[in-house]
Amino acid sequence: AQKVTQAQTEISVVEKEDVTLDCVYETRDTTYYLFWYKQPPSGELVFLIRRNSFDEQNEISGRYSWNFQKSTSSFNFTITASQVVDSAVYFCALSEAPGGTSYGKLTFGQGTILTVHP
Amino acid sequence: EPEVTQTPSHQVTQMGQEVILRCVPISNHLYFYWYRQILGQKVEFLVSFYNNEISEKSEIFDDQFSVERPDGSNFTLKIRSTKLEDSAMYFCASSELPGTLLDTQYFGPGTRLTVL
Repeated sequence: AQKVTQAQTEISVVEKEDVTLDCVYETRDTTYYLFWYKQPPSGELVFLIRRNSFDEQNEISGRYSWNFQKSTSSFNFTITASQVVDSAVYFCALSEAPGGTSYGKLTFGQGTILTVHP
Repeated sequence: EPEVTQTPSHQVTQMGQEVILRCVPISNHLYFYWYRQILGQKVEFLVSFYNNEISEKSEIFDDQFSVERPDGSNFTLKIRSTKLEDSAMYFCASSELPGTLLDTQYFGPGTRLTVL
């Protein structure tokens, strides 16, 4: 069975600090997909990024960057120079490729509550 | 930009009543999903739906739950006899094609269900 662990329940930082949100996953499949979603206080789930298991290249998008390490089954998310608007719950999620045991469905981690103080 | 919509945003019902939660997926998407999030907890998969039938369902999705695509645009989740523990935020999601580069699931804003 697949599993996603976000060990950090809550993180509190001051604006302009860098912050890294950890995500560790378990899956028996060799092909899978990893995602990060943001849930702001308004409650919706906003897609941030998707990563395929066969592509370990790290990605940067503005102040956001993602570090995918297959060897340690981790997919960490870093926010550089955090802002108050980054305050939200962040979820890491995993889905498996066709033929996998849980094809299509997303398995979410527990989420990390990020609070950025002014 | 196309988006998933859900109605109502908040539904209050009495225990034992039936509720129908409605979703309009993104128009060119083929796969539809329902998830739920009990307050303060993680998002949990309920069911996936493709080609007018259920593809996969979780243990949570028991006989009290059903899904339907009654027309070309709506996707509904019905709970026949609500229980207190059904109180949660219910999210609808849709994607183009799972297991491909087109399988990112986009979520609606959610329906908060409160069972009294």
